[in-house]
Amino acid sequence: AQSVTQLDSQVPVFEEAPVELRCNYSSSVSVYLFWYVQYPNQGLQLLLKYLSGSTLVKGINGFEAEFNKSQTSFHLRKPSVHISDTAEYFCAVTPMIYNQGGKLIFGQGTELSVKP
Amino acid sequence: GAGVSQSPSNKVTEKGKDVELRCDPISGHTALYWYRQSLGQGLEFLIYFQGNSAPDKSGLPSDRFSAERTGGSVSTLTIQRTQQEDSAVYLCASSLVGRGRPSSYNSPLHFGNGTRLTVT
Repeated sequence: AQSVTQLDSQVPVFEEAPVELRCNYSSSVSVYLFWYVQYPNQGLQLLLKYLSGSTLVKGINGFEAEFNKSQTSFHLRKPSVHISDTAEYFCAVTPMIYNQGGKLIFGQGTELSVKP
Repeated sequence: GAGVSQSPSNKVTEKGKDVELRCDPISGHTALYWYRQSLGQGLEFLIYFQGNSAPDKSGLPSDRFSAERTGGSVSTLTIQRTQQEDSAVYLCASSLVGRGRPSSYNSPLHFGNGTRLTVT
């Protein structure tokens, strides 16, 4: 079984400051990793994903995440946030096994609040 | 093209009544998922359909919950004898492929805006 822990439920930050949203996972098999974003009153959309290759992946809106297998982490970062980044961010994993492919296991979400 | 469509967008029902929530996936998407989003609980997987394969029902919280997908397209999530703890936003998602095919991980889940269910 897999589980995802997002260590911070809320992260307040000032505009133009850097931000890191933390994500750790637990799994008995290898996983693929994702970050989704949910803007207020909207559905979830994919921000970025790690499938293989370079452990540093870049997504939309200037976000990036680094996969660390030894620490089972996939933290999301942005060097300078904007007011428009205010949203809820979800880390998710899916196991690399045939009969569970595509089924995402989500963390509890981190609410990023960017203040002017 | 159109995204994933869910209806109704809001549903208020009395405890003990049955409700049906509808999801229209993106045309051509073979995989369809239902999730539940509760305050402070994140997104909870409910059920997963892929083509003609038997659905993965491992996330359904009780036998009051059921879902079907007709003709490989539209899906309905039914909650019988609703309870107050069923109050949540129910999200549907679809993707182009699923069931562990390597290419599936390059096909992200496309989510609808959800149905907000309130049980009074």
